[in-house]
Amino acid sequence: AQSVTQPDIHITVSEGASLELRCNYSYGATPYLFWYVQSPGQGLQLLLKYFSGDTLVQGIKGFEAEFKRSQSSFNLRKPSVHWSDAAEYFCAVGAKTNAGKSTFGDGTTLTVKP
Amino acid sequence: DTGVSQDPRHKITKRGQNVTFRCDPISEHNRLYWYRQTLGQGPEFLTYFQNEAQLEKSRLLSDRFSAERPKGSFSTLEIQRTEQGDSAMYLCASSRGQGATEAFFGQGTRLTVV
Repeated sequence: AQSVTQPDIHITVSEGASLELRCNYSYGATPYLFWYVQSPGQGLQLLLKYFSGDTLVQGIKGFEAEFKRSQSSFNLRKPSVHWSDAAEYFCAVGAKTNAGKSTFGDGTTLTVKP
Repeated sequence: DTGVSQDPRHKITKRGQNVTFRCDPISEHNRLYWYRQTLGQGPEFLTYFQNEAQLEKSRLLSDRFSAERPKGSFSTLEIQRTEQGDSAMYLCASSRGQGATEAFFGQGTRLTVV
């Protein structure tokens, strides 16, 4: 069965500091991997996705993520965090044939200190 | 492209009442997905449609839940005899067909059962 683990429930960083959010997945075939962001009371916005090719993917809002097959990881990074990045972040894994049917982690809440 | 639209955004209902939510996908998308998200958790897949056909249902979708997409456009999710445990955010997403590499989420319907 597929699963996603986000080990950090809550992370606090100072504005301007770098950020890394961890994601580990379990999936039997080649995964599609996603990172989404969710502001309070809102839906999900896709930050970036990986399904093949270059293992370092760039997304919106200055985010990037690196797929490491050997570690079953897909960690999200940003070199300099802005106060507006405070939100909840979800990692998800989906099938190549049905990218909309995803298994999500439980999320990491990011707080940004001024 | 106006995005995925969900209605209502918020619903408060008394235990035992029936509720119905609507989702309007992006117009050219033939796949439509329903997810449920409880507080502190990631979204959980409930069901999906390809055009008007409901192709998969999660075990989470008890027989009090029913989803339809009668003309392959908008979809409805009905919960009968609501219980307090049904309180959650219900998210809808849509995507193109089998080759799609991502789904687009609506802003969700927040259900509170009192």
